[in-house]
Amino acid sequence: GAVVSQHPSWVICKSGTSVKIECRSLDFQATTMFWYRQFPKQSLMLMATSNEGSKATYEQGVEKDKFLINHASLTLSTLTVTSAHPEDSSFYICSARAQGSYNEQFFGPGTRLTVL
Amino acid sequence: SQQGEEDPQALSIQEGENATMNCSYKTSINNLQWYRQNSGRGLVHLILIRSNEREKHSGRLRVTLDTSKKSSSLLITASRAADTASYFCATDRSMLTFGGGTRLMVKP
Repeated sequence: GAVVSQHPSWVICKSGTSVKIECRSLDFQATTMFWYRQFPKQSLMLMATSNEGSKATYEQGVEKDKFLINHASLTLSTLTVTSAHPEDSSFYICSARAQGSYNEQFFGPGTRLTVL
Repeated sequence: SQQGEEDPQALSIQEGENATMNCSYKTSINNLQWYRQNSGRGLVHLILIRSNEREKHSGRLRVTLDTSKKSSSLLITASRAADTASYFCATDRSMLTFGGGTRLMVKP
């Protein structure tokens, strides 16, 4: 089956630093990748949708200058949390939609970010 | 924004009992999907039901969809302790929109 990996699985950083999270589709090409954020005991909230080779589309209320998304290839998307603050601490999950597929999204295992 | 609302938010049952979770949504959809998430882990896709389908089975899972009421249910039969997790419905138009989730605890 289709596998999506995320790296790192967890990260602890100091306030003010930037953190990059990678999302890779391992055995398929993903024209579209999605980034979600999940706070404890809450649901997933879509942050942005990225299409390979074009700018990401951000959901309302998500700062594009703070959450930089790059989808440079069909197998890799990155999310950079710039100047992270404690309120950015969350579980970040990516998903990927396969090329030619309309319905199926495959989810990564998530990255736990803790900002001190 | 969150389209789906799930009911109940939390459910605690004994092993062997059935668990039923409900999901309501607001707009028209192409399909509805159910996912499972163990604590602190990623999502596992359980089942997809298309808007023209009314019922679907997969092992111990049974999903129904009523587009006239904009609602869906997930039934887990003969539950096991390993079924303990959070369950989310997600509606699909051009992107997935997740409901609030039901936290299921199955006591051995």
